[in-house]
Formats: sequence, C-alpha cells, structure tokens
Amino acid sequence: GAVVSQHPSWVICKSGTSVKIECRSLDFQATTMFWYRQFPKQSLMLMATSNEGSKATYEQGVEKDKFLINHASLTLSTLTVTSAHPEDSSFYICSARGASGGTSYEQYFGPGTRLTVT
Amino acid sequence: ELKVEQNPLFLSMQEGKNYTIYCNYSTTSDRLYWYRQDPGKSLESLFVLLSNGAVKQEGRLMASLDTKARLSTLHITAAVHDLSATYFCAVDPGYALNFGKGTSLLVTP
Repeated sequence: GAVVSQHPSWVICKSGTSVKIECRSLDFQATTMFWYRQFPKQSLMLMATSNEGSKATYEQGVEKDKFLINHASLTLSTLTVTSAHPEDSSFYICSARGASGGTSYEQYFGPGTRLTVT
Repeated sequence: ELKVEQNPLFLSMQEGKNYTIYCNYSTTSDRLYWYRQDPGKSLESLFVLLSNGAVKQEGRLMASLDTKARLSTLHITAAVHDLSATYFCAVDPGYALNFGKGTSLLVTP
C-alpha cells in the first residue's frame, strides 16, 4: 500500500517552455503533498507544501510564479515549471502524506522526475 | 532553523566490516527517518523511528534513536556490496521533513 506515482519519469524541454509534472497517490488520499528538488550529489531540498484545495506554501527562495503547484484533489498534485531555464534542470521528487491509508505521519515518495532544460 | 547533520558524508568500507553513520539534529523531534537512495532513483524508506530508545533492524542495518541526545545512528554489520548507496536521515518536527546531506557509502571487495 501507500504508492505514489509521478509522470513523466523524465522530460527534456527547451528553454522558455513550461513543463508539468504530476504526482498521484494511488491507493490513499493525500491531504498533504510535498515537492522536493535534488541536484546531483546533493540532498533533497523542500520546495513547497500543498494541501488539497488550498494554496501551496513555498519555502524561502523558491519562486512561486515560476513553480506553480496545484493540489486539486486528494490524489493529485501538479508542479509546473514555467519558462524553464537550464538551471532548472534537476531531479524533482514528490511525496504524499495522508490521513487515511498508510500512516498519518509518514511521507511516501514518488519515483522522481528528471528534468533537463536545453 | 532545524539543522540535520550526518557524518560521515562519504564512506568507503570493505566487505565484511562494520560501521556506523551518525545523524545529529538541532531541535526536539520524536520522529526520525532513514532512507536509501540508489543513483538515479528516488528514496526508499528503511526505518521510521518514533520514540526515544527506538531500535529497528532489517538485515545488516540497524537504526536507533536517542531523542535526548538528538542523535540517531545507522549501524552496518558485515557490509556487502549491495549496500552501496546514499543514505539519508530526515527529521520531522511536525511540518515537513528536514534531510541531512546524505552519506555516500561504497562497499568494496
């Protein structure tokens, strides 16, 4: 149980275009979803936290207009990287925490999306 | 600001040897997590430690938590090559996980 999927698993886009990444909780309802970014050989950095039906809370230094997060349902959150630039190339990982299914405190991680901006 | 410090950051060890990875954190928390990450992959949950004195073991790995000392350890017993990976500890202060920098482990013959 407690499976989180991400789509796509990898994407290549050109500078200036936008990319949408989906994060789904497959067998539980995720009241809270988290988006992380990981650069090579570094740790995970929390970008934002989203609760279903409300605006995301962004961490300091993360541009909310550039990284648009939507948590429209209890099983789906999306991250849109707008006007992508090469420095946005990274591994994006989502996690989900739910009140039902799984435990209420543990985060379940998706498989990640590797974004390359050319 | 919550700080989570892991050491060592890099560890090369021979097969069959034992070693311990340390995770210190700077604020009160009763929840600590250990994850494994293989190159190009996401995180795999290893242990969830929920109370002071918690000890969990799975195969050659054993994790413990001392909330008073704000310290968790991940002990590796008789290492094998398959354990080569990056290991992260993460602390949950009740909001979101705060990760350590990770320990890159290489087990050599």
